[in-house]
Formats: sequence, C-alpha cells, structure tokens
Amino acid sequence: DAGVTQSPTHLIKTRGQQVTLRCSPKSGHDTVSWYQQALGQGPQFIFQYYEEEERQRGNFPDRFSGHQFPNYSSELNVNALLLGDSALYLCASSFRPTSADIQYFGAGTRLSVL
Amino acid sequence: GQNIDQPTEMTATEGAIVQINCTYQTSGFNGLFWYQQHAGEAPTFLSYNVLDGLEEKGRFSSFLSRSKGYSYLLLKELQMKDSASYLCAAYTNAGKSTFGDGTTLTVKP
Repeated sequence: DAGVTQSPTHLIKTRGQQVTLRCSPKSGHDTVSWYQQALGQGPQFIFQYYEEEERQRGNFPDRFSGHQFPNYSSELNVNALLLGDSALYLCASSFRPTSADIQYFGAGTRLSVL
Repeated sequence: GQNIDQPTEMTATEGAIVQINCTYQTSGFNGLFWYQQHAGEAPTFLSYNVLDGLEEKGRFSSFLSRSKGYSYLLLKELQMKDSASYLCAAYTNAGKSTFGDGTTLTVKP
C-alpha cells in the first residue's frame, strides 16, 4: 500500500518563474491538503481539495493555485515566484475533508527560489 | 482567527518523562492532533483527541481540555530517537488544520 508520494523531491527556480508540484494520495484517500513549511516553523495550510474542487483556503495569495484530478491526485502551482516562496511544500491526504481523519504526509518537495 | 502556541524548545534526559503543552484558539474546533517530525522528514501522526480526557498509545499519551483550549503530549521512557519536533495541530469542522510552530525536543544521555 503506497503512502503519499510527492514529486519532485527538490527543485531550484529563479524569481518570476512558475512551478508545479505533484502529489498522489494514499490509497483509499480522496482529500488532499497542501502546506508550506518554512525552516523552523510549522506547516502553514495553503488549501484543500476534495471532489476536484478547492474547499478550504489559507492565507495565501492567488499566485498559489491547485487542481485535483479524477484519480484524486493533485497539483500545486505557484506563479511569479518570490524569494520568500522558498520552503518545504507538504502534501497530506485523508478520507473525507470533515471527518477529522488522520492526515498522512508525503516527504515533501523542497523548493529553492534564487 | 486561529492561534496555536507551544514552547519552542525542551530538553529531557533519556528514560525520563516529558510533557509538551499546547494552547489553541480555533473557531469551529473539531479535534487536536499531535505529529512528530524529524529533521528533514515529513510529519508523522502520533495522537488525536476529540473529547476531553487522556488518550494513551504506548509510550505516548495526549490530553485535551476543550473548555480550556489546552492539550499536552506526554512522552514516557524517553529514548534518543525521540529527539524531534513535535507539532500540535487544531482541526476545524470545516476541514482545516492549523499547526503550531512545533516544539523541538532534545533527549540527552
């Protein structure tokens, strides 16, 4: 039973570029949440996808967008990258968005913006 | 709004007991999660409380008081491998999780 998988593992971009991060949820899960974790801080909620729609959104600008596919996998897109976007991006999957089910995290994508 | 507070750092001795506290202010509160995160790795689930009281899972226990907006994680018989960051996260009935910045626990011999 595969857990949550994220790709790529590491990514280096320059300011102004765009990036797409990918996440495949744990088998049996239908809800995907994305988090940004800066060094020394806890994960900050970006948004959550369920039934291919964004259901909840944290305090992040519109440069951050996402998508969920029929197979429940998800993408996070960040446009016009800023230096401050450098962080570990975590994807977490769960079953149903309001069931308070345990979230399982992927290993993350470490994004460096130069 | 959402606010989670936990101590930044704690140090304890191998074999001892340590309690990591967490206070929260969350609209639509639905539960409190504790995660462990080793440096450079993803958070892993430790414990979850919905109702007031103590939940025990082996060497780890977690307590919740909804009326006080307070939780703690209790780690017994500390081992060196328990050195990690411990994240407290409040879950809302809308499906949103708010994490604290984590408590870095250092276990010394």
